[in-house]
Amino acid sequence: EIVLTQSPATLSLSPGERATLSCRASQSVSSYLAWYQQKPGQAPRLLIYDASNRATGIPARFSGSGSGTDFTLTISSLEPEDFAVYYCQQRSNRPPTWTFGQGTKVEIK
Amino acid sequence: EVQLVESGGGLVQPGGSLRLSCAASGFTFSSYWMHWVRQAPGEGLVWVSRVNSDGSSTTYADSVKGRFTISRDNAKNTLYLQMNSLRADDTAVYYCARDRSGSYTGFDYWGQGTLVSVSS
Repeated sequence: EIVLTQSPATLSLSPGERATLSCRASQSVSSYLAWYQQKPGQAPRLLIYDASNRATGIPARFSGSGSGTDFTLTISSLEPEDFAVYYCQQRSNRPPTWTFGQGTKVEIK
Repeated sequence: EVQLVESGGGLVQPGGSLRLSCAASGFTFSSYWMHWVRQAPGEGLVWVSRVNSDGSSTTYADSVKGRFTISRDNAKNTLYLQMNSLRADDTAVYYCARDRSGSYTGFDYWGQGTLVSVSS
């Protein structure tokens, strides 16, 4: 089973700062990686699919990069509404299964 | 507008059963894979199960295999999760989610979730 490890667990930043979130897979997942944002009491929201593609309606300040085992979600300049928990997710084949990382909380410093 | 609305959650005793439903609208339901994802109170997201577009293929997380059954009724635009032999650690908010078509991964629409509490 592929394990996703996100770091750091918590990121304390101020609005306007750059946020860099990491997701590392225990073995290669090619580009089968997505990123989600979740705010308290809300369902998750897809930000990035296939490692680097922004989902519909996602602002350009969100970007994803990486392939294989190391992935990064970057928020170029934090807006007040960006303070939330972020999860990465991978898909395995044969049979198709999915796993999430444990999450990174981006909090206001 | 794409909408996914879960129902069927509630309080159940350990060993009991529950069936969750997810009513879909605003898109061609029969064209998409669908998933159930759960989140225990204060914890992270856990993928539970997936069904392909015509219901002929299903996969499960090891933690629910043999106890949960995912299914769908494309005529009714509804996804189901039959949960048997429930345990305390199945307590969570259960979300249904649509698999993004045309990509390797990504769940692009989610319901608001339904809470399942397993307790005596």
